[in-house]
Amino acid sequence: EIVLTQSPGTLSLSPGERATLSCRASQSISSSYLAWYQQKPGQAPRLLIYGASSRATGIPDRFSGSGSGTDFTLTISRLEPEDFAVYYCQQYGSSLTFGGGTKVEIK
Amino acid sequence: QVQLQESGPGLVKPSETLSLTCTVSGGSINYYFWTWIRQPPGKGLEWIGYIYYSGSTNYNPSLKSRVTISVDTSKNQFSLSLNSVTAADTAVYYCARVSQRYSNTSPLDYWGQGTLVTVSS
Repeated sequence: EIVLTQSPGTLSLSPGERATLSCRASQSISSSYLAWYQQKPGQAPRLLIYGASSRATGIPDRFSGSGSGTDFTLTISRLEPEDFAVYYCQQYGSSLTFGGGTKVEIK
Repeated sequence: QVQLQESGPGLVKPSETLSLTCTVSGGSINYYFWTWIRQPPGKGLEWIGYIYYSGSTNYNPSLKSRVTISVDTSKNQFSLSLNSVTAADTAVYYCARVSQRYSNTSPLDYWGQGTLVTVSS
């Protein structure tokens, strides 16, 4: 089973700042089968990024993903008020596993 | 627009079986993989398993001995059964679609709103 470790656990930032979230895999993820999801309280997760770097339909371009192999990053270039949420990475190349999540909170 | 809706009891007694159904509307269940995910209160996401419209399945090894996922294409539904439940199975249960036809190596694009199942006597 591929284990995904997200860091930091919590990120305290102000609107307008840049957020950088990390996801590290216990083994290489084939073909960059890595996705990022955003989850707000009381809601289902929403797909942001797939294939490590492709934005899903309707996702603003302030969200970007990068990385390959075992190290992946989600960057939010300028935080908007609606971006404060929990973010999960997920690999889908070998069954499915999720990271533990990073909470982006208002500083 | 594809929509998914979970349904089933919100309260299950310890040692009994949790049963949920996901109804897909706005699109066909055919040619896709469908999955169940759960989230204990205040915690992260855990994949339970997925099923192809043809009926083939793959389960999380940590739950495999207690899980059955089935599909009814005539009703555009798929279902989850989890037996011998304990308080640790208390969670919001989500159903979701694997986004690409014919492929289980694609992300989850449509999700249900989730349903809270509490295991308690």
